[in-house]
Amino acid sequence: NAGVMQNPRHLVRRRGQEARLRCSPMKGHSHVYWYRQLPEEGLKFMVYLQKENIIDESGMPKERFSAEFPKEGPSILRIQQVVRGDSAAYFCASSPAGGELFFGEGSRLTVL
Amino acid sequence: AQSVTQPDIHITVSEGASLELRCNYSYGATPYLFWYVQSPGQGLQLLLKYFSGDTLVQGIKGFEAEFKRSQSSFNLRKPSVHWSDAAEYFCAVGPSGGGADGLTFGKGTHLIIQP
Repeated sequence: NAGVMQNPRHLVRRRGQEARLRCSPMKGHSHVYWYRQLPEEGLKFMVYLQKENIIDESGMPKERFSAEFPKEGPSILRIQQVVRGDSAAYFCASSPAGGELFFGEGSRLTVL
Repeated sequence: AQSVTQPDIHITVSEGASLELRCNYSYGATPYLFWYVQSPGQGLQLLLKYFSGDTLVQGIKGFEAEFKRSQSSFNLRKPSVHWSDAAEYFCAVGPSGGGADGLTFGKGTHLIIQP
């Protein structure tokens, strides 16, 4: 049973470009969470999704950031018009309904 | 609002010595508490969790943690550390397994092992 798969593992973008980060949850998991980790910081909750629904996006910046978890395919975290402050590690976690979180290895975004 | 404090940013321990990493939390209801370990460039691995029952919980890799409600603490311990334990350790609090708001993490404690 494969774990939570995130890609790309590393992504470099120039300011103003778009970043797309993908997360495939563990088999049988219907809940996906995205967290952001800034250097020297812990993980900050961004958004919680179930299939085709955003349940809680209270941690998402109001502009430029969006997330989806379509009926088919991986969850996508999209950052438009990236700025240097978006450089961070973005972690996805999945869980079965009401269950323990399992984390992916993260996607590290560098904005030049 | 829930919060987690890990007062030690860095801790250095000699190989074979005992270890205690501190964690204090603030949570409005009965907390669910977790310790995760993160090796450089890697994701988070769950070491142990406390939901209810026995306040001393055993985890993987020889780690244990004790929940003390009166002190709002959930400190992580290991009797004898190995060089491979060098990593970043995160304490987290939240509803069982995550829930609607996910987990709230502390800022982490960086563990350095001296030979």
